[in-house]
Amino acid sequence: QKEVEQNSGPLSVPEGAIASLNCTYSDRGSQSFFWYRQYSGKSPELIMSIYSNGDKEDGRFTAQLNKASQYVSLLIRDSQPSDSATYLCAVNSRNTGNQFYFGTGTSLTVIP
Amino acid sequence: IAGITQAPTSQILAAGRRMTLRCTQDMRHNAMYWYRQDLGLGLRLIHYSNTAGTTGKGEVPDGYSVSRANTDDFPLTLASAVPSQTSVYFCASSEPGRALNEQFFGPGTRLTVL
Repeated sequence: QKEVEQNSGPLSVPEGAIASLNCTYSDRGSQSFFWYRQYSGKSPELIMSIYSNGDKEDGRFTAQLNKASQYVSLLIRDSQPSDSATYLCAVNSRNTGNQFYFGTGTSLTVIP
Repeated sequence: IAGITQAPTSQILAAGRRMTLRCTQDMRHNAMYWYRQDLGLGLRLIHYSNTAGTTGKGEVPDGYSVSRANTDDFPLTLASAVPSQTSVYFCASSEPGRALNEQFFGPGTRLTVL
């Protein structure tokens, strides 16, 4: 069983719509959760961090964490063509030597 | 502030050659990491270091070695490169002492082993 699982997509949404990306994780001891955006040929860029249950909003991005169900999601409101990228979910636990576990990513395309 | 720098940006290497990928961070983070990213396999951890002077093995350590002589630098060495080590390599760092242990990535090194 993979530590972190994401739907690989591709996910396509029209410009202006809400894009919803989901991620599940297996380690109940995970403490911190992250979303990265990766453009083709570039390195992952941290866009959201969350460690408490509930929602965290930053501009057009909202991260949602539910530790009981072991999932974390990312909502992108008013999607723009520039949001087209691969989104990586990551979790961190100090119980596992401070390692980070990544999903394989969800490819998002925003259609103008 | 540069964050994390990696060198070289890209490299073509003959099989059997020795190669060191360099990584330097200026954020004074205690933890540093090396990942490789291959299509369909995502990011896989090669080695990590939680503090200067210590290192640990990740998911795919075979054929690679690291050292952490100081806080800022974390070189990755391929002792005798093989074609299966063709990949994009990312260095990353984080500060485990903070409540939200965020990890940041360098720009990557694209390595081709022929």
